Amino acid sequence: EVQVVESGGGLVQPGGSLRLSCAASGFTFSSYWLTWVRQAPGKGLEWVANINQDGSKKYYVDSVKGRFTISRDNAKNSLYLQMNSLRAEDTAVYYCARGQGYNYPYYFDSWGQGTLVTVSS
Amino acid sequence: DIQMTQSPSSLTASVGDRVTITCRASQSDSISSYLNWYQQKPGKAPKLLIYAASSLESGVPSRFSGSGSGTDFTLTISSLQPEDFATYYCQQSYSIPFTFGPGTKVDIK
Repeated sequence: EVQVVESGGGLVQPGGSLRLSCAASGFTFSSYWLTWVRQAPGKGLEWVANINQDGSKKYYVDSVKGRFTISRDNAKNSLYLQMNSLRAEDTAVYYCARGQGYNYPYYFDSWGQGTLVTVSS
Repeated sequence: DIQMTQSPSSLTASVGDRVTITCRASQSDSISSYLNWYQQKPGKAPKLLIYAASSLESGVPSRFSGSGSGTDFTLTISSLQPEDFATYYCQQSYSIPFTFGPGTKVDIK
């Protein structure tokens, strides 16, 4: 069974940092694109970042460029999101998801339950 | 960036009703069939229903169907069931940044 489980969320002050993790199982981790998608309280879904199979290609939404870094450790079947210079508008549930497609993640077929990040003083 | 719109933003329907949700891409040029549909229930993660505009994800009931290409797309639920009351999002994967529609909330009448 495919499983992805996020962790690392919590309360952080504006300007602070947080590192999210996503542990995957049930599939060949190194063969898939991975993504982070977030959802602010009561709002819709927002794509945050993608990373390809070997970590050589990374893409970000403009609002997090230069502040967030997506990375992966294929030996540990884990995905990460390093979030720096956090702002109140980064408050959201962050989901990890698996992408389908070899050269491009055409759609996201397995999602974790999400981890809540709250940026507040 | 490609902006996605959905209509209606919400709807009220009864069990057994046929429901249609529309998604439109802002870009005047086609996004081909790079359009996916997700279902989300309160407090839960999104669930993939339809990918590539009209392909049914494995395990998803056949009452769900998708159609369209270019800029206009439709998600249809042929006979609404109690477990289908949720919010539905479209998402384009034609170009980065990937973008989602604002969602359509389906409520019980």
